[in-house]
Amino acid sequence: EPEVTQTPSHQVTQMGQEVILRCVPISNHLYFYWYRQILGQKVEFLVSFYNNEISEKSEIFDDQFSVERPDGSNFTLKIRSTKLEDSAMYFCASRGLRTSGDYNEQFFGPGTRLTVL
Amino acid sequence: QQQVKQSPQSLIVQKGGIPIINCAYENTAFDYFPWYQQFPGKGPALLIAIRPDVSEKKEGRFTISFNKSAKQFSLHIMDSQPGDSATYFCAARMRRKETSGSRLTFGEGTQLTVNP
Repeated sequence: EPEVTQTPSHQVTQMGQEVILRCVPISNHLYFYWYRQILGQKVEFLVSFYNNEISEKSEIFDDQFSVERPDGSNFTLKIRSTKLEDSAMYFCASRGLRTSGDYNEQFFGPGTRLTVL
Repeated sequence: QQQVKQSPQSLIVQKGGIPIINCAYENTAFDYFPWYQQFPGKGPALLIAIRPDVSEKKEGRFTISFNKSAKQFSLHIMDSQPGDSATYFCAARMRRKETSGSRLTFGEGTQLTVNP
C-alpha cells in the first residue's frame, strides 16, 4: 500500500539554527500539506501546496517557514531560524486528484519530531 | 468560526462498550468531516468520513452520526476492543474550489482507553 514517508524521524537542533524536514508524498498525489502537533495538543494546519506554489497557509506559517518541491518526489519544510516554540511533531500529508476512491482523503506520514534546545 | 470543538478530552470504557466522541462546528462552509485515529508515535490515519448531506455513515464497528441543523457530529465505536485505544480526532474541511488548499481543521482530540 502506498504511503507518505518522512525523514528524519527525530531532529534535534539548537535555537536559531535552520532545519529542513523532508517528505516523500504518495507518487501520484498532487496536493501536499504540512501540519504540526505540539505535544499533547491538536494537529494544526501550516501550509498546502499545489502546482508548485503555496495554495493556502495559516497564521503559524510566517516568514521563517518555507516549502519546496525540489524534484518530482520530495516535498520539504524549512524553518530558517528555529525557536523553542517550534518544538513539535511535524506531519506531511498528500492528497490525490478527484477520483471515486480517495479524492477527499489526506494521507499522513509518520511525522518528524523536532526538538529545539 | 474555523474551530471544531471536540469532547470529551479523555474516555475510558470496558471492552465491548460503545464510546461516543462528539464534535461541533460553527462554520457552515465546512463540507467534509473525517475522523482520524492516531496511535502514539504515528501520524493520524483516516478512520471514516462523512459529508453533510448524509445523517449517518457506518463502516465496520465505526459509525458517524451527523446533525446538520445542530452542526454536530459524533463517532460511535461498537463493541470496542483494547486495540481501539488511541487518540481520535474529528476534523472538518472547508468547501473550496479544486485548486485551493482544502486544509483540515482538527478538533482537540480524545484519548480513548478500552480496558480488557
